[in-house]
Amino acid sequence: EAGVAQSPRYKIIEKRQSVAFWCNPISGHATLYWYQQILGQGPKLLIQFQNNGVVDDSQLPKDRFSAERLKGVDSTLKIQPAKLEDSAVYLCASSPGLPSYNEQFFGPGTRLTVL
Amino acid sequence: QQPVQSPQAVILREGEDAVINCSSSKALYSVHWYRQKHGEAPVFLMILLKGGEQKGHEKISASFNEKKQQSSLYLTASQLSYSGTYFCGTDGGTGNQFYFGTGTSLTVIP
Repeated sequence: EAGVAQSPRYKIIEKRQSVAFWCNPISGHATLYWYQQILGQGPKLLIQFQNNGVVDDSQLPKDRFSAERLKGVDSTLKIQPAKLEDSAVYLCASSPGLPSYNEQFFGPGTRLTVL
Repeated sequence: QQPVQSPQAVILREGEDAVINCSSSKALYSVHWYRQKHGEAPVFLMILLKGGEQKGHEKISASFNEKKQQSSLYLTASQLSYSGTYFCGTDGGTGNQFYFGTGTSLTVIP
């Protein structure tokens, strides 16, 4: 079974530029998560999708971050414009259903450096 | 709302035991445990559900005190491969957000 795929693996941009990350979850997984993990900290949930609907985006900085899940499968996370404090690893995870009952499978992450 | 873990860091010799604690200020429906090695993504270890059900790896044991909103992960006869950062994740049920804890760094030395 193929795992969660993410691209790119690394990205370096200058502040005020735009960047987009892509995630392909495990086939059949209804729930998709985007996390931001700053060095030395635990992952912070940015947005959670159930199929192609948003379940929770309360910690997503909506003035600069946006996310969508196309046809309930792939997802993209965009930052526009980027700030220095956005430097982090962005993790995508998927699970068969809601987190109450289901483990999350994580992709390798995208390491973003904002200069 | 982020669960607090203790200790923040622990160093063990191979074969020793450790307990990692996770405490939440909110009522919980389930608690997850994950291990993350340096430069890698978190890997699932266990889910503990309200009511006593558990899902996870056979060699991992944990407890969930619903009333105290606390969970503990028990690592026995530690091996070098146990090294990494352990995170609990808490879920308050439908309509509640999932939070990862503050993390516990575990280092096992020969």
